[in-house]
Amino acid sequence: DGGITQSPKYLFRKEGQNVTLSCEQNLNHDAMYWYRQDPGQGLRLIYYSQIVNDFQKGDIAEGYSVSREKKESFPLTVTSAQKNPTAFYLCASSILGSGNTIYFGEGSWLTVV
Amino acid sequence: QQQVKQSPQSLIVQKGGISIINCAYENTAFDYFPWYQQFPGKGPALLIAIRPDVSEKKEGRFTISFNKSAKQFSLHIMDSQPGDSATYFCAAAYGNKLVFGAGTILRVKS
Repeated sequence: DGGITQSPKYLFRKEGQNVTLSCEQNLNHDAMYWYRQDPGQGLRLIYYSQIVNDFQKGDIAEGYSVSREKKESFPLTVTSAQKNPTAFYLCASSILGSGNTIYFGEGSWLTVV
Repeated sequence: QQQVKQSPQSLIVQKGGISIINCAYENTAFDYFPWYQQFPGKGPALLIAIRPDVSEKKEGRFTISFNKSAKQFSLHIMDSQPGDSATYFCAAAYGNKLVFGAGTILRVKS
C-alpha cells in the first residue's frame, strides 16, 4: 500500500534523553514535513525538506533536528533541548509546488516521563 | 501575517443540521486553501480545497465559500451526520508551506 509510515506510534522518553521518530513514504514525493500538534493550537511546522540533503526550519524548530539522506525517509530527533516535547507528531509529504495535497501519516505520540 | 484564525473552537450540531466553520487570513500571498478532517488518534486527511479565483466549491455535502476581498473562507457541512464528528482544520498555503488554523471540534448529535 502507498502511504506514509510513522513509527513508533507511542513513545515514552525520560527527561534529558534524545529520541528519534521515523517517517518513511513510498509515494515518490519530493517534499516532506514534520508538524507538531498540541490541543487547541492546530498543527505547527517544525522542519520541512524539498530535496534530499536539504531541509529548512519551520516555525518551531528549536530543540529538534532532522536529516534527509534518502528521498523516502525524513527522521525527526527530539533533543533534550526541547523544553516541552510531549505532543503528537505528524509527518507529511507532497509533490513540490503550490496547491498540491499534503498527505499525513498516522502520527506518533511522544510522552516525557 | 502568517496566522490563520479559525472559529468556533467547538461546535455541536443536531443530526441533519448545517455545520459552519469560519476562517480568516491576512497574508495575500496565500494561494491555496484546504480543509482537513481529523479523527482521534489519526493524521489529518484532505477534505476539500479551493483556490482564490473561485468563490465556492462543492463536493457532496461539503462546500467551501471563499471571500477574497474579506480574506475569509468557510466550510459548510450540509445534512451533518454523527460520522462527521471530528476535528476540522482550515489551512492556507503558499509554495509548499501550509499554515493551519487552531481547529474546530465538531460533534454531531444523533
